Amino acid sequence: AQTVTQSQPEMSVQEAETVTLSCTYDTSESDYYLFWYKQPPSRQMILVIRQEAYKQQNATENRFSVNFQKAAKSFSLKISDSQLGDAAMYFCAYRAGGSRLTFGEGTQLTVNP
Amino acid sequence: EPEVTQTPSHQVTQMGQEVILRCVPISNHLYFYWYRQILGQKVEFLVSFYNNEISEKSEIFDDQFSVERPDGSNFTLKIRSTKLEDSAMYFCASTHFGTTPSYEQYFGPGTRLTVT
Repeated sequence: AQTVTQSQPEMSVQEAETVTLSCTYDTSESDYYLFWYKQPPSRQMILVIRQEAYKQQNATENRFSVNFQKAAKSFSLKISDSQLGDAAMYFCAYRAGGSRLTFGEGTQLTVNP
Repeated sequence: EPEVTQTPSHQVTQMGQEVILRCVPISNHLYFYWYRQILGQKVEFLVSFYNNEISEKSEIFDDQFSVERPDGSNFTLKIRSTKLEDSAMYFCASTHFGTTPSYEQYFGPGTRLTVT
Protein backbone atom coordinates (compact mmCIF):
# COMPACT_ATOMS: atom_id res chain seq x y z
CA ALA A 1 0.00 0.00 0.00
CA GLN A 2 1.12 3.51 -0.70
CA THR A 3 2.01 5.68 2.26
CA VAL A 4 2.90 9.34 2.55
CA THR A 5 4.88 10.67 5.51
CA GLN A 6 5.40 14.23 6.65
CA SER A 7 7.84 14.22 9.53
CA GLN A 8 7.45 17.89 10.49
CA PRO A 9 4.18 18.48 12.38
CA GLU A 10 5.00 22.19 12.69
CA MET A 11 7.28 24.67 10.96
CA SER A 12 7.73 28.40 11.26
CA VAL A 13 9.31 31.01 9.03
CA GLN A 14 9.87 34.74 9.11
CA GLU A 15 8.00 36.80 6.56
CA ALA A 16 10.03 37.17 3.31
CA GLU A 17 12.24 34.20 4.21
CA THR A 18 12.31 30.74 2.61
CA VAL A 19 11.03 27.53 4.16
CA THR A 20 11.11 23.92 3.03
CA LEU A 21 8.51 21.33 3.99
CA SER A 22 9.47 17.66 3.74
CA CYS A 23 7.52 14.69 2.41
CA THR A 24 8.48 11.11 1.72
CA TYR A 25 6.37 8.40 0.20
CA ASP A 26 6.46 4.72 -0.42
CA THR A 27 5.21 3.09 -3.60
CA SER A 28 6.01 0.26 -5.97
CA GLU A 29 4.45 2.12 -8.88
CA SER A 30 6.60 3.74 -11.56
CA ASP A 31 3.98 6.19 -12.82
CA TYR A 32 2.30 8.44 -10.29
CA TYR A 33 1.64 12.03 -9.33
CA LEU A 34 2.50 14.03 -6.24
CA PHE A 35 0.72 17.08 -4.92
CA TRP A 36 0.95 19.70 -2.24
CA TYR A 37 -2.34 21.00 -0.87
CA LYS A 38 -2.78 24.02 1.38
CA GLN A 39 -5.50 24.06 4.03
CA PRO A 40 -6.03 27.49 5.63
CA PRO A 41 -8.14 27.96 8.79
CA SER A 42 -11.26 27.89 6.61
CA ARG A 43 -10.30 24.19 5.99
CA GLN A 44 -10.76 24.51 2.24
CA MET A 45 -8.30 22.25 0.37
CA ILE A 46 -6.36 24.26 -2.21
CA LEU A 47 -3.94 22.70 -4.69
CA VAL A 48 -0.57 24.43 -4.53
CA ILE A 49 1.55 22.43 -6.95
CA ARG A 50 1.73 19.06 -8.72
CA GLN A 51 4.59 16.90 -9.99
CA GLU A 52 4.43 14.08 -12.50
CA ALA A 53 6.80 11.25 -11.61
CA TYR A 54 7.92 10.77 -15.21
CA LYS A 55 9.17 14.36 -15.42
CA GLN A 56 12.70 14.99 -14.22
CA GLN A 57 12.21 18.74 -14.05
CA ASN A 58 10.96 20.02 -10.73
CA ALA A 59 7.62 21.82 -10.83
CA THR A 60 7.42 25.53 -10.05
CA GLU A 61 4.44 27.79 -9.43
CA ASN A 62 5.48 31.36 -8.68
CA ARG A 63 6.96 31.35 -5.15
CA PHE A 64 6.36 27.61 -4.72
CA SER A 65 8.71 24.96 -6.03
CA VAL A 66 9.39 21.31 -5.33
CA ASN A 67 12.49 19.18 -5.00
CA PHE A 68 11.47 15.81 -6.39
CA GLN A 69 13.95 12.99 -5.76
CA LYS A 70 12.38 9.90 -7.32
CA ALA A 71 15.03 7.41 -6.23
CA ALA A 72 14.85 8.64 -2.66
CA LYS A 73 11.03 8.90 -2.83
CA SER A 74 11.22 12.42 -1.52
CA PHE A 75 9.05 15.39 -2.48
CA SER A 76 9.73 18.61 -0.59
CA LEU A 77 8.01 21.96 -1.01
CA LYS A 78 9.96 25.19 -0.96
CA ILE A 79 8.15 28.45 -0.30
CA SER A 80 10.19 31.52 -1.18
CA ASP A 81 9.52 35.06 0.02
CA SER A 82 7.02 33.75 2.57
CA GLN A 83 3.90 35.83 3.10
CA LEU A 84 1.48 36.00 6.02
CA GLY A 85 -1.16 34.45 3.76
CA ASP A 86 0.98 31.34 3.39
CA ALA A 87 0.22 30.36 6.97
CA ALA A 88 -1.78 27.14 6.78
CA MET A 89 -1.65 23.39 7.10
CA TYR A 90 0.17 21.85 4.15
CA PHE A 91 -0.57 18.31 3.01
CA CYS A 92 1.54 16.22 0.70
CA ALA A 93 -0.53 13.78 -1.40
CA TYR A 94 0.06 10.90 -3.80
CA ARG A 95 -2.01 9.49 -6.60
CA ALA A 96 -1.40 6.63 -9.03
CA GLY A 97 -3.44 4.19 -11.11
CA GLY A 98 -6.51 4.28 -8.89
CA SER A 99 -8.41 7.47 -8.36
CA ARG A 100 -7.87 8.06 -4.67
CA LEU A 101 -5.53 10.62 -3.18
CA THR A 102 -3.40 9.43 -0.26
CA PHE A 103 -2.46 12.25 2.10
CA GLY A 104 0.32 12.73 4.61
CA GLU A 105 -0.26 13.85 8.17
CA GLY A 106 0.25 17.52 7.38
CA THR A 107 2.66 20.28 8.43
CA GLN A 108 1.34 23.36 10.19
CA LEU A 109 3.20 26.38 8.84
CA THR A 110 3.35 29.59 10.85
CA VAL A 111 4.60 32.79 9.23
CA ASN A 112 5.97 35.35 11.67
CA PRO A 113 5.82 39.06 10.78
CA GLU B 1 -14.57 30.05 -11.91
CA PRO B 2 -16.63 26.90 -11.37
CA GLU B 3 -16.40 25.36 -7.93
CA VAL B 4 -17.62 22.43 -5.89
CA THR B 5 -20.24 23.40 -3.33
CA GLN B 6 -21.34 21.54 -0.21
CA THR B 7 -24.30 21.89 2.12
CA PRO B 8 -24.71 22.29 4.97
CA SER B 9 -21.48 23.86 6.16
CA HIS B 10 -22.08 22.49 9.65
CA GLN B 11 -24.40 19.69 10.75
CA VAL B 12 -25.04 18.68 14.33
CA THR B 13 -26.82 15.39 14.91
CA GLN B 14 -27.47 12.94 17.70
CA MET B 15 -25.86 9.54 17.81
CA GLY B 16 -27.92 6.98 15.92
CA GLN B 17 -29.53 9.50 13.59
CA GLU B 18 -29.21 9.45 9.82
CA VAL B 19 -27.51 12.33 8.05
CA ILE B 20 -27.21 13.25 4.39
CA LEU B 21 -24.39 15.45 3.26
CA ARG B 22 -24.86 17.14 -0.08
CA CYS B 23 -22.44 18.18 -2.77
CA VAL B 24 -22.79 19.81 -6.15
CA PRO B 25 -19.73 18.89 -8.24
CA ILE B 26 -18.44 20.99 -11.12
CA SER B 27 -20.91 20.57 -13.96
CA ASN B 28 -18.76 18.82 -16.61
CA HIS B 29 -16.95 16.56 -14.16
CA LEU B 30 -17.54 12.84 -14.29
CA TYR B 31 -15.82 11.45 -11.19
CA PHE B 32 -16.84 12.27 -7.66
CA TYR B 33 -15.24 11.57 -4.30
CA TRP B 34 -15.81 11.82 -0.59
CA TYR B 35 -12.98 12.27 1.88
CA ARG B 36 -13.11 12.85 5.60
CA GLN B 37 -10.81 14.55 8.06
CA ILE B 38 -11.13 13.92 11.76
CA LEU B 39 -10.00 17.02 13.66
CA GLY B 40 -6.22 17.15 13.86
CA GLN B 41 -5.71 14.16 11.59
CA LYS B 42 -4.95 13.53 7.94
CA VAL B 43 -7.48 13.60 5.13
CA GLU B 44 -8.73 10.08 4.37
CA PHE B 45 -10.35 8.73 1.23
CA LEU B 46 -13.83 7.27 1.61
CA VAL B 47 -15.25 6.53 -1.82
CA SER B 48 -15.15 7.38 -5.50
CA PHE B 49 -18.14 7.31 -7.84
CA TYR B 50 -18.43 7.17 -11.62
CA ASN B 51 -21.23 6.42 -14.02
CA ASN B 52 -23.72 5.99 -11.19
CA GLU B 53 -21.76 3.40 -9.31
CA ILE B 54 -18.99 3.14 -6.76
CA SER B 55 -15.63 2.70 -8.48
CA GLU B 56 -13.49 2.42 -5.35
CA LYS B 57 -14.02 2.51 -1.61
CA SER B 58 -11.83 2.40 1.45
CA GLU B 59 -12.09 0.19 4.51
CA ILE B 60 -13.71 3.12 6.32
CA PHE B 61 -16.66 3.06 3.93
CA ASP B 62 -18.68 0.30 5.58
CA ASP B 63 -22.37 -0.56 5.36
CA GLN B 64 -23.28 2.53 7.37
CA PHE B 65 -22.28 4.71 4.44
CA SER B 66 -23.88 5.08 1.04
CA VAL B 67 -23.54 7.47 -1.87
CA GLU B 68 -25.97 8.52 -4.51
CA ARG B 69 -26.33 10.85 -7.42
CA PRO B 70 -30.11 11.41 -7.22
CA ASP B 71 -30.25 13.87 -10.12
CA GLY B 72 -27.93 15.43 -12.65
CA SER B 73 -26.27 17.79 -10.22
CA ASN B 74 -26.24 16.54 -6.63
CA PHE B 75 -23.94 13.93 -5.12
CA THR B 76 -24.82 12.79 -1.61
CA LEU B 77 -23.20 10.90 1.23
CA LYS B 78 -25.56 9.22 3.67
CA ILE B 79 -24.56 7.92 7.07
CA ARG B 80 -27.32 5.62 8.27
CA SER B 81 -26.78 5.56 12.02
CA THR B 82 -24.19 8.05 13.14
CA LYS B 83 -21.59 7.29 15.79
CA LEU B 84 -19.50 9.68 17.86
CA GLU B 85 -16.44 8.72 15.81
CA ASP B 86 -18.15 9.94 12.63
CA SER B 87 -17.58 13.50 13.82
CA ALA B 88 -15.27 14.98 11.19
CA MET B 89 -15.02 17.35 8.27
CA TYR B 90 -16.34 15.71 5.11
CA PHE B 91 -14.99 16.90 1.79
CA CYS B 92 -16.52 16.31 -1.59
CA ALA B 93 -14.27 16.47 -4.66
CA SER B 94 -14.72 16.08 -8.38
CA THR B 95 -12.56 15.68 -11.45
CA HIS B 96 -13.06 15.38 -15.15
CA PHE B 97 -11.04 12.21 -15.70
CA GLY B 98 -10.75 10.22 -12.53
CA THR B 99 -8.22 7.63 -13.55
CA THR B 100 -5.83 9.98 -15.29
CA PRO B 101 -3.70 10.94 -12.34
CA SER B 102 -2.71 14.39 -13.53
CA TYR B 103 -6.23 15.71 -13.44
CA GLU B 104 -6.76 17.78 -10.37
CA GLN B 105 -9.42 16.87 -7.86
CA TYR B 106 -11.34 20.02 -7.01
CA PHE B 107 -12.42 20.08 -3.39
CA GLY B 108 -15.50 21.63 -1.89
CA PRO B 109 -15.34 23.72 1.30
CA GLY B 110 -16.38 20.78 3.46
CA THR B 111 -19.22 19.94 5.83
CA ARG B 112 -18.36 19.78 9.50
CA LEU B 113 -20.35 16.95 11.07
CA THR B 114 -20.68 16.91 14.83
CA VAL B 115 -22.27 13.84 16.43
CA THR B 116 -23.38 14.30 20.06
